[in-house]
Amino acid sequence: GENVEQHPSTLSVQEGDSAVIKCTYSDSASNYFPWYKQELGKRPQLIIDIRSNVGEKKDQRIAVTLNKTAKHFSLHITETQPEDSAVYFCAAGSNSGYALNFGKGTSLLVTP
Amino acid sequence: SQTIHQWPATLVQPVGSPLSLECTVEGTSNPNLYWYRQAAGRGLQLLFYSVGIGQISSEVPQNLSASRPQDRQFILSSKKLLLSDSGFYLCAWSVTQGFPRGDSPLHFGNGTRLTVT
Repeated sequence: GENVEQHPSTLSVQEGDSAVIKCTYSDSASNYFPWYKQELGKRPQLIIDIRSNVGEKKDQRIAVTLNKTAKHFSLHITETQPEDSAVYFCAAGSNSGYALNFGKGTSLLVTP
Repeated sequence: SQTIHQWPATLVQPVGSPLSLECTVEGTSNPNLYWYRQAAGRGLQLLFYSVGIGQISSEVPQNLSASRPQDRQFILSSKKLLLSDSGFYLCAWSVTQGFPRGDSPLHFGNGTRLTVT
């Protein structure tokens, strides 16, 4: 089955700096790559996703890049703010899979 | 628009007691439904998924069970809770094509924080 590795497990940056979280996947059939943000005690919420026919997608301060050849995708957050502090999960899935496969999460701390 | 309701928000139960967590979805028909558990604030473990009424697939053998008595209702149960059942339980839904898909967004409920004492 699909295996999604996520790094780093924790990340601390200063406000205004950029943060990058990287994920790799094993199933070459994967064609959908969402990112979820989970604030403390709350539910994971979808913040951005990308499909395999696109190499990059941006939404204001967040962007996701996908390298299908290398089977890795990354989340980029620019101009980080304290409210970006949360756990971020990457996931990978395909139309032949039964559910999204999640990485183990990255705890991002943005210090003022 | 679609909404997902999950209750209760928090629950404290003694070891050996039964459990029933409920989840309902509004605004969509025949969704795929999922139960996830999150221990120690990290990692999403898929427990069960369902593609239709009465259809349940289990991902992890344990003392939990799931049922889907109605199209938009998903229930997580246990006859006797263990200490290791403590965690944050999340219900989720996604669009369906009659079978579970990994290429659609998952939409999570607010979760139930279960503490087994």
